Amino acid sequence: DTGVSQDPRHKITKRGQNVTFRCDPISEHNRLYWYRQTLGQGPEFLTYFQNEAQLEKSRLLSDRFSAERPKGSFSTLEIQRTEQGDSAMYLCASSFGQGFNEQYFGPGTRLTVT
Amino acid sequence: QQQVKQSPQSLIVQKGGISIINCAYENTAFDYFPWYQQFPGKGPALLIAIRPDVSEKKEGRFTISFNKSAKQFSLHIMDSQPGDSATYFCAASYSNSGYALNFGKGTSLLVTP
Repeated sequence: DTGVSQDPRHKITKRGQNVTFRCDPISEHNRLYWYRQTLGQGPEFLTYFQNEAQLEKSRLLSDRFSAERPKGSFSTLEIQRTEQGDSAMYLCASSFGQGFNEQYFGPGTRLTVT
Repeated sequence: QQQVKQSPQSLIVQKGGISIINCAYENTAFDYFPWYQQFPGKGPALLIAIRPDVSEKKEGRFTISFNKSAKQFSLHIMDSQPGDSATYFCAASYSNSGYALNFGKGTSLLVTP
């Protein structure tokens, strides 16, 4: 399967713990996006990378969140000191090129903070 | 602040009928308007997209109608099928944001046999 993959698919953690998610985009896709989706809502933009550069961050991305994309390939999203409000589906998407090209979404990582 | 407002929240349509979902936006900088379909446990998948320089785009049973002056756009699903039952999201984006998508809240569509 050459689509966007995310790992893990599910994560249960206790409040205050740190968690890290990984996203592997479609090969040669230069743009990578992170979104968060809560139950019954549309995905909300968190941040995006063009190659290895993080070019935009949403105000939703508090100081407890950090994202990286070393070497412009896979990306990681880390949440420090998790809170119950962080419980959501974290979606990764990738696209190719400079214009408004299709964003291909991964299956997401469902985070539950207890 | 929701930049794209979507209605209805849910929709029930009989097989063979037309499903219509509406969206409105305020930011005139938006220049790309896609519709995504999402099944439970899956990520969203692009259905169809339009730019504001055209008023309508059709792909198979799916049509986007776009009204730039009213800042509204809609998705029409013709000959709706039970397999179309899913959640549909409209979205909008623009180049200065790297085309990060601003999604509506979604419409849960149920097509009954």
